[in-house]
Amino acid sequence: KAGVTQTPRYLIKTRGQQVTLSCSPISGHRSVSWYQQTPGQGLQFLFEYFSETQRNKGNFPGRFSGRQFSNSRSEMNVSTLELGDSALYLCASSFSGGAGEKLFFGSGTQLSVL
Amino acid sequence: AQRVTQPEKLLSVFKGAPVELKCNYSYSGSPELFWYVQYSRQRLQLLLRHISRESIKGFTADLNKGETSFHLKKPFAQEEDSAMYYCALSVNSGGSNYKLTFGKGTLLTVNP
Repeated sequence: KAGVTQTPRYLIKTRGQQVTLSCSPISGHRSVSWYQQTPGQGLQFLFEYFSETQRNKGNFPGRFSGRQFSNSRSEMNVSTLELGDSALYLCASSFSGGAGEKLFFGSGTQLSVL
Repeated sequence: AQRVTQPEKLLSVFKGAPVELKCNYSYSGSPELFWYVQYSRQRLQLLLRHISRESIKGFTADLNKGETSFHLKKPFAQEEDSAMYYCALSVNSGGSNYKLTFGKGTLLTVNP
């Protein structure tokens, strides 16, 4: 079974630009979550999608958005990039996103904003 | 509000010594707790979850509701245990929706 795949692996952008990150979950998984990982803040929850609907959202500004397609693949978009958006963005999938479910993480997309 | 606290950013022990990584949580509901681990150049992965009451790679964790803790323990540390460890709490955000809240992590180094 293929694992969670995130593309691209690395991105370099400049302030003010926008970026789109992609995540393909494990086959059969319908819940996809996104996290921002930084050395200072650790892992912070961005949002979770299930069956093309956003079910949960973290405390991030509206510049951060996402969507999920019918095949469960998900994208997240960050508009008007700021220097502080530089981070590793992790995607995780699970079967249904239930309370005790194990999350399977991708390798992440390293975003650098210059 | 729910919170997960890992008081130690760094923890260094010698091979063969016992190790305990601390995790405290605050949550008004019934907690579902996990430990995730990230080895160097590898993906973040589940180590164990309290509902399974399992021991993985010699690690155990007991949920103590009175002390609101879920400390991770191993009696004899190995060099390959060196990694970043994250404690996580599954939080109900309404209905059957849950999200995972992570602590900031503890970097464990096991010295030879």
